[in-house]
Amino acid sequence: DTEVTQTPKHLVMGMTNKKSLKCEQHMGHRAMYWYKQKAKKPPELMFVYSYEKLSINESVPSRFSPECPNSSLLNLHLHALQPEDSALYLCASSQADRAKGLGLNTEAFFGQGTRLTVV
Amino acid sequence: RKEVEQDPGPFNVPEGATVAFNCTYSNSASQSFFWYRQDCRKEPKLLMSVYSSGNEDGRFTAQLNRASQYISLLIRDSKLSDSATYLCVVSFNAGNNRKLIWGLGTSLAVNP
Repeated sequence: DTEVTQTPKHLVMGMTNKKSLKCEQHMGHRAMYWYKQKAKKPPELMFVYSYEKLSINESVPSRFSPECPNSSLLNLHLHALQPEDSALYLCASSQADRAKGLGLNTEAFFGQGTRLTVV
Repeated sequence: RKEVEQDPGPFNVPEGATVAFNCTYSNSASQSFFWYRQDCRKEPKLLMSVYSSGNEDGRFTAQLNRASQYISLLIRDSKLSDSATYLCVVSFNAGNNRKLIWGLGTSLAVNP
């Protein structure tokens, strides 16, 4: 049972569509992450939010746009994607450590992912 | 040299066998170490954190060797349900953030 919930579980979209992936957690974690995972590869970090502020953007193309409306929610807005963007998109959350000047703790809990197919 | 390296396997073992995975890391400033397990088409799930003193959870034992920069995972009395990919994860400080570096994973198949 995961405490990080992602919707939708599956998504098929055309290259001209606009869609959004949603992630929600109620563990009180203040760091939230988007990862992309291709088959037989490890998760690849895309974005990190720490205390609702974008902390890390791993040079992700602008057709992916993250949003963190509050401490429990994380969205990923998709627009004009390419077929090679098809992948499993994973949301994760973890405790954060603002007091030590470090944004992130590292034990992360993952949602079940959204399997995205771009046609 | 890759930041985190694992033997991809696959490891094929019979039920009841003992199997060990190693993972090496290149950044000597690495601070935290984890083993995650990922089943096919599922999300990664934390299996164990790895501490300097070594730690054990039932059939699973994790160890860290900072001098040689590797971590290990030992699974005793393998079960069919242990079949999965095991991902080694290392974290270190990058400016004001911590970054997680993932290995490519080691595939385990436990056979009846």
